[in-house]
Amino acid sequence: LAKTTQPISMDSYEGQEVNITCSHNNIATNDYITWYQQFPSQGPRFIIQGYKTKVTNEVASLFIPADRKSSTLSLPRVSLSDTAVYYCLAVPSGYSTLTFGKGTMLLVSP
Amino acid sequence: NAGVTQTPKFRVLKTGQSMTLLCAQDMNHEYMYWYRQDPGMGLRLIHYSVGEGTTAKGEVPDGYNVSRLKKQNFLLGLESAAPSQTSVYFCASRGGTGTAYEQYFGPGTRLTVT
Repeated sequence: LAKTTQPISMDSYEGQEVNITCSHNNIATNDYITWYQQFPSQGPRFIIQGYKTKVTNEVASLFIPADRKSSTLSLPRVSLSDTAVYYCLAVPSGYSTLTFGKGTMLLVSP
Repeated sequence: NAGVTQTPKFRVLKTGQSMTLLCAQDMNHEYMYWYRQDPGMGLRLIHYSVGEGTTAKGEVPDGYNVSRLKKQNFLLGLESAAPSQTSVYFCASRGGTGTAYEQYFGPGTRLTVT
């Protein structure tokens, strides 16, 4: 599995846009960039996945440049409830197991 | 559709006691997983199953056993609990089709071993 690197923590204020960058220099051709979100005392939940360019859903946007060596998760106008740990993974299609790193702890303050 | 459920939600054990954690999913998923999460750490895979009747070791399998007798259930057993097994345990499942292959997680079981 391709290794991903992301910041350990980030701070933001309510209403701001937050961009979390993930580095994945050795990503494989069949890997999809996938982000999970974990609120305190809950299990992680899938929020977005992409292969190239831009993907947007009701939670976030994911930007992946053409070389696919990095990606950016964008959370528009965060609120206190966006305080969570965000995990970036390079997921091969048809995988058996995943390795979750420590993720990025996002703290949103009033 | 309850998704992934875990039983119990909380448990306190004394060193040497045994217990079984139950994970159930109602999505007809082939794959099921058991993870543990310690404070400030990411998730670590204990055991997993790629289908009914199959199990495989993950990253940290020592001290745990698992069984997948029915497709919808995945049991995690601790034969002789140790304080080092104090953790939050998450079960997850995923289907076998589509590109997302997203894992669906249960709410977790908080286990304390004294």
